[in-house]
Amino acid sequence: KQEVTQIPAALSVPEGENLVLNCSFTDSAIYNLQWFRQDPGKGLTSLLLIQSSQREQTSGRLNASLDKSSGRSTLYIAASQPGDSATYLCAPGDTNAGKSTFGDGTTLTVKP
Amino acid sequence: DTGVSQDPRHKITKRGQNVTFRCDPISEHNRLYWYRQTLGQGPEFLTYFQNEAQLEKSRLLSDRFSAERPKGSFSTLEIQRTEQGDSAMYLCASSLGGDSQTFLAKNIQYFGAGTRLSVL
Repeated sequence: KQEVTQIPAALSVPEGENLVLNCSFTDSAIYNLQWFRQDPGKGLTSLLLIQSSQREQTSGRLNASLDKSSGRSTLYIAASQPGDSATYLCAPGDTNAGKSTFGDGTTLTVKP
Repeated sequence: DTGVSQDPRHKITKRGQNVTFRCDPISEHNRLYWYRQTLGQGPEFLTYFQNEAQLEKSRLLSDRFSAERPKGSFSTLEIQRTEQGDSAMYLCASSLGGDSQTFLAKNIQYFGAGTRLSVL
């Protein structure tokens, strides 16, 4: 059974800092891995998806990496802004259904 | 709006009542997923459909839960004899999945805003 751990659980940084969120998973037989953002009381917004054959994906100030063999992914956020404050969720997708197993997220607060 | 839509957004019910939620996926998406999320935790998988076939159900989905996707388009999730422990956010997602790693088969999941259930 896939288990996903996200560290740290919460992070507070001043505006402008670069930061890294960590995700580890126990079953490396994944189809892909998605990073999501969730604002309080809202649904999930997909940020980046990395296929199992890829090592990283970039979108704007976000860069996600994947090391499937070691069961790790990181989300790098450059030049953080207060609008980045949210919970970030990591979700590897399984090889058959594509269903995702989620970590409990990292809650990020960016202070002006 | 061509995203995933869920209805209702909020539902308050008394213990023992039945409730039904609806999810309308992105129109060309063949896969539809239901997840449940409680406060402070990540979503947990409940079940998924490929077209109209329900292909997998989590052990979290007790006999009181049933999901359908009768024409391979919208889906409903029904909870019978609700309990206080059913209080949660119920999230629906859809994707375009395939058997081979073609361009279209990226299986990016798009989520709806969720239905928040409160059982009193």
